[in-house]
Amino acid sequence: GENVEQHPSTLSVQEGDSAVIKCTYSDSASNYFPWYKQELGKGPQLIIDIRSNVGEKKDQRIAVTLNKTAKHFSLHITETQPEDSAVYFCAAGGSWGKLQFGAGTQVVVTP
Amino acid sequence: KAGVTQTPRYLIKTRGQQVTLSCSPISGHRSVSWYQQTPGQGLQFLFEYFSETQRNKGNFPGRFSGRQFSNSRSEMNVSTLELGDSALYLCASSFEVQGRNQGEQFFGPGTRLTVL
Repeated sequence: GENVEQHPSTLSVQEGDSAVIKCTYSDSASNYFPWYKQELGKGPQLIIDIRSNVGEKKDQRIAVTLNKTAKHFSLHITETQPEDSAVYFCAAGGSWGKLQFGAGTQVVVTP
Repeated sequence: KAGVTQTPRYLIKTRGQQVTLSCSPISGHRSVSWYQQTPGQGLQFLFEYFSETQRNKGNFPGRFSGRQFSNSRSEMNVSTLELGDSALYLCASSFEVQGRNQGEQFFGPGTRLTVL
């Protein structure tokens, strides 16, 4: 089955700096790669996703890149703000309603 | 459009009891997936339902079961509760086009289950 590894487990950045989280996956059949942000006491919130036919996608300060050959995908947050502090999860899946999640990255943005 | 709703939000049970959790998907979404979230194991897939049928199942014991109704609402049941079942149970709904899941899963706030 699919296995997703996520690094780092914690990430501290100064406000205004960039944050990068990296994930690798094992199942070459996976074709959908979402990123979720989870704040304390809430469910995961979808922030950006990418499909296997695309190498990069950007939405304001957030971007995701995908290297399907190497089975790597990354989340980039630029100009970080205190409200970006949360746990971020990567996931891999396909058109079958099941996502395999990474272990999560605790991001702390200090003013 | 209203998001995914889950009830109850919090639940306390004792070992050996059973529990039923409920999930109402986003209007128009017919696929519902359930996940268990714990500090040690992270987010783990339990099962997925579409059109009242279980399509996918994760690696959980038979004590964990679910069902989906004709209005796409879903319930999951855990029987003979164990201490290790304490977790946040999350439900997510997805949109389908011609029976093909579009991938995006939208999560509810979860039900926090504590087993004493």
